[in-house]
Amino acid sequence: QKEVEQNSGPLSVPEGAIASLNCTYSDRGSQSFFWYRQYSGKSPELIMSIYSNGDKEDGRFTAQLNKASQYVSLLIRDSQPSDSATYLCAVLNAGGTSYGKLTFGQGTILTVHP
Amino acid sequence: ETGVTQTPRHLVMGMTNKKSLKCEQHLGHNAMYWYKQSAKKPLELMFVYSLEERVENNSVPSRFSPECPNSSHLFLHLHTLQPEDSALYLCASSQAATGTPYEQYFGPGTRLTVT
Repeated sequence: QKEVEQNSGPLSVPEGAIASLNCTYSDRGSQSFFWYRQYSGKSPELIMSIYSNGDKEDGRFTAQLNKASQYVSLLIRDSQPSDSATYLCAVLNAGGTSYGKLTFGQGTILTVHP
Repeated sequence: ETGVTQTPRHLVMGMTNKKSLKCEQHLGHNAMYWYKQSAKKPLELMFVYSLEERVENNSVPSRFSPECPNSSHLFLHLHTLQPEDSALYLCASSQAATGTPYEQYFGPGTRLTVT
């Protein structure tokens, strides 16, 4: 069964610290990897996508991918209280299709305290 | 309007009612998706339409009936629902083409309560 696993948390970090969120996946054929942020009562918002091994940086966010270890992570530098949300890891295996099916983890709740 | 919009945002319906959820995307995409998000469960893919053709139906009960009249609009018709169908229903869209990033963008969702 294709699965995406995340530590549900909550992960609590002080303001200004680095928050590290982790995700493992079981499908070795996975091609694309995404991080979504979901505030309470809101819909998921795409914040990072990564397709190749290594790091990808966008502002305070860095996504890391290691396909050999089937591991994806998201680092949030200089964490702010406004980063408090649930972070969803999503993994895609297009399987030869043109549209892509996402498999989501359960999400990690992040709390940034002042 | 920008992005992906959904109406209504909140819906309360009885088990014998018939209602429809509407989704519209303003991103020029040609693949659209329905997801269900229940408490303490991962997002579940329900249906996928690519180029207006239904290409995925993930064992969803027949009381949920999707419709995609064109690449910008997606509906989810609901009838004789059960209380366990209460959830957040999310619409998403992406650009369908082999080799593209497949990034999916979500609408705000419809919070459905079945009484």
